[in-house]
Amino acid sequence: SQQGEEDPQALSIQEGENATMNCSYKTSINNLQWYRQNSGRGLVHLILIRSNEREKHSGRLRVTLDTSKKSSSLLITASRAADTASYFCATGMDSSYKLIFGSGTRLLVRP
Amino acid sequence: DSGVTQTPKHLITATGQRVTLRCSPRSGDLSVYWYQQSLDQGLQFLIQYYNGEERAKGNILERFSAQQFPDLHSELNLSSLELGDSALYFCASSVEQGTYEQYFGPGTRLTVT
Repeated sequence: SQQGEEDPQALSIQEGENATMNCSYKTSINNLQWYRQNSGRGLVHLILIRSNEREKHSGRLRVTLDTSKKSSSLLITASRAADTASYFCATGMDSSYKLIFGSGTRLLVRP
Repeated sequence: DSGVTQTPKHLITATGQRVTLRCSPRSGDLSVYWYQQSLDQGLQFLIQYYNGEERAKGNILERFSAQQFPDLHSELNLSSLELGDSALYFCASSVEQGTYEQYFGPGTRLTVT
């Protein structure tokens, strides 16, 4: 079963608006990562936040992590049509070398 | 461009056949991961190799096998193919083993008819 579950499954916004996606997971983690996937293409790593971090920024991206609630959020500010993609969270655990990906949020940014 | 290459890009084959997917990791990366992405199962981790050794196994069927060669490229072998094996197969690499950021290749789209 998936470790991470994204919410919402799909999101449609206007260009210039902010987009917020949430990820919940079940077990303790070492880090949480966000990836973007354009339709049918490979995933692109966006940002990694470690379990002892609460917030991280990268350009227009802001990620928060709440380990007590086992949840993370990805905020994309001032969205652009080029941000249209699927976004996945992935969790890494101390006991395993593998990442477990969530089901993804499909983001559509309308011009 | 992630630096990870995968061949072929597309593969169409019949049920019962065997195929080999190839992956070359980024220069300097020792870890290679294989994933399967399908509409109903999402992105599933299959297997990981580090410097030629298998390190982690996920939801990989017994009909599937993989290896990593001394030059660090990896191959995923899929045999006795079934319709349900139709999916995108991704290879990813990272500099170390462990849950570091991974760099994904463009994928191989497998269609089993």
